[in-house]
Amino acid sequence: DQQVKQNSPSLSVQEGRISILNCDYTNSMFDYFLWYKKYPAEGPTFLISISSIKDKNEDGRFTVFLNKSAKHLSLHIVPSQPGDSAVYFCAARGILTGGGNKLTFGTGTQLKVEL
Amino acid sequence: NAGVTQTPKFQVLKTGQSMTLQCAQDMNHNSMYWYRQDPGMGLRLIYYSASEGTTDKGEVPNGYNVSRLNKREFSLRLESAAPSQTSVYFCASNTLEGLRRRETQYFGPGTRLLVL
Repeated sequence: DQQVKQNSPSLSVQEGRISILNCDYTNSMFDYFLWYKKYPAEGPTFLISISSIKDKNEDGRFTVFLNKSAKHLSLHIVPSQPGDSAVYFCAARGILTGGGNKLTFGTGTQLKVEL
Repeated sequence: NAGVTQTPKFQVLKTGQSMTLQCAQDMNHNSMYWYRQDPGMGLRLIYYSASEGTTDKGEVPNGYNVSRLNKREFSLRLESAAPSQTSVYFCASNTLEGLRRRETQYFGPGTRLLVL
């Protein structure tokens, strides 16, 4: 049962345009949502997050929108740059029974920004 | 400040062999995690350690064991490797940052494991 879904395995955008990456979740107990970026042969790196009590968080070119009623979040990158080409993972936070925080990841979206 | 480091970067094993993947972080984080990433799937949690001295199973713990050696180090052991354990393994550690307690997990560069 995939609790976090990224239905688009790939996205291609022209440089300077907006990239919109989407993510859906099913568990209403998630309290934090994060986006990670991953280059080949590297570990994921944290990009931006949003609390479940917010509907928008902005950091430079990156904005995350959360629609709790639809259980949907999206990442907007404006303007898109070639260096943004990477795999983007959506993740949702829950609480582990043993303590600590569990991140449930989506399957990722490969973004390609073309010149 | 190296962040999260993992060794080895790449390993080939034969079915039935054992090995230990090493992970260390220098950020004074309490919690550490082991994930595996497979094609077409997100990262899945194998084991985690919420704090020094504790370990617990994640989503896919079968075939693995872990040791939280101290606050810095968290190792993952495959006692008898199987081809189904061919994957990329990531170690992570986390903090809750600042007054807003934002969740951030920091990941190592990964270990690519091939089991023949």
